[in-house]
Amino acid sequence: QKEVEQDPGPLSVPEGAIVSLNCTYSNSAFQYFMWYRQYSRKGPELLMYTYSSGNKEDGRFTAQVDKSSKYISLFIRDSQPSDSATYLCARVKAAGNKLTFGGGTRVLVKP
Amino acid sequence: GAGVSQSPSNKVTEKGKDVELRCDPISGHTALYWYRQSLGQGLEFLIYFQGNSAPDKSGLPSDRFSAERTGGSVSTLTIQRTQQEDSAVYLCASSPSGMDNEQFFGPGTRLTVL
Repeated sequence: QKEVEQDPGPLSVPEGAIVSLNCTYSNSAFQYFMWYRQYSRKGPELLMYTYSSGNKEDGRFTAQVDKSSKYISLFIRDSQPSDSATYLCARVKAAGNKLTFGGGTRVLVKP
Repeated sequence: GAGVSQSPSNKVTEKGKDVELRCDPISGHTALYWYRQSLGQGLEFLIYFQGNSAPDKSGLPSDRFSAERTGGSVSTLTIQRTQQEDSAVYLCASSPSGMDNEQFFGPGTRLTVL
């Protein structure tokens, strides 16, 4: 079993819909949780990170962590075609350490 | 300012040849990371440099892989006697201090081993 699991998709939604992305993890030692966005032929870029359980909002993006269930989610409201990308969840044991990534979910937002 | 840069952007090589991949981190960043992204394995950690400390090499898949970081800045990842399974995108990332959560990624080097 991989330490971080993600549905590879693709997840196709119409413009304006809410995109819901999920990850599960198996190692409770992980402390920080992140979501990265990766466009084709580009490096990943950090969208959000969180430490504690609960929700964190940033504009159209909401990250949710449920440590008791080992489940992390990302919601994108009012999705735009420019949100079409691969979304990677990642975890790290402590600040600065190596990231452990999920396999990524490809998202397609259709105009 | 300039982000993380990597060269070459694409590299095609023959099985058994050695290759060198270069990473220029963001100026002033003390932590540097190498990752590999392939279709079957996703994005995997390879090696981590932090300042003058001994690097964390725990992710290197075999002794054919090595990396160095000269003068605390530029890093080179070397793959000796390349194999077809080494074909992947090699990504470099840097962060300001190694105690930060955000790692800034370069565009990657796409390696194809024929």
